[in-house]
Amino acid sequence: EAGVTQFPSHSVIEKGQTVTLRCDPISGHDNLYWYRRVMGKEIKFLLHFVKESKQDESGMPNNRFLAERTGGTYSTLKVQPAELEDSGVYFCASSQAVGAVGNTIYFGEGSWLTVV
Amino acid sequence: TQLLEQSPQFLSIQEGENLTVYCNSSSVFSSLQWYRQEPGEGPVLLVTVVTGGEVKKLKRLTFQFGDARKDSSLHITAAQPGDTGLYLCAGATSGSRLTFGEGTQLTVNP
Repeated sequence: EAGVTQFPSHSVIEKGQTVTLRCDPISGHDNLYWYRRVMGKEIKFLLHFVKESKQDESGMPNNRFLAERTGGTYSTLKVQPAELEDSGVYFCASSQAVGAVGNTIYFGEGSWLTVV
Repeated sequence: TQLLEQSPQFLSIQEGENLTVYCNSSSVFSSLQWYRQEPGEGPVLLVTVVTGGEVKKLKRLTFQFGDARKDSSLHITAAQPGDTGLYLCAGATSGSRLTFGEGTQLTVNP
């Protein structure tokens, strides 16, 4: 069974440009999460989808970030316009159930974003 | 804002030695998870501890959740080079939102 897949694995863009990251969760997982790790910091929560609905988007840093999950399958995270401080690794994760107890959250390999 | 402080940040030891990684917070978590991450990959769940004082063992790894559910430790006995990696603790409160520590980069030298 395929794990969580993310695309692209690496992206280098100029400040002011737009980047769209894609995540394909494990088949059948209604819960999809976006996290990111910027240089020197801990992995931080961005948002949580349950199917196509945003359950919790309190971690989104500002309105330059837009996450969608049309049809409740794959998700995209668009950064527009990108700023230097957006550089980091963006992780997508998915799980069958909600909550950490008795529930495994599976992470993708991450999308490395460098804004120059 | 909930914070999880992990220590040490870096640890380099010889094969066969024991080590302990600590994860501390001023906040109470409903559960705490430990992950291991290798270069180029995402974090992989090792264990979830739920009850205050709980101890779980996974081969040579022993995980403990503090009585007050604010801290946790990971102890590795007789470390091996294959244990090398980034170890992350993550606390959960409501829902599935995780608060991560900065991680401990462990290097076990043969």
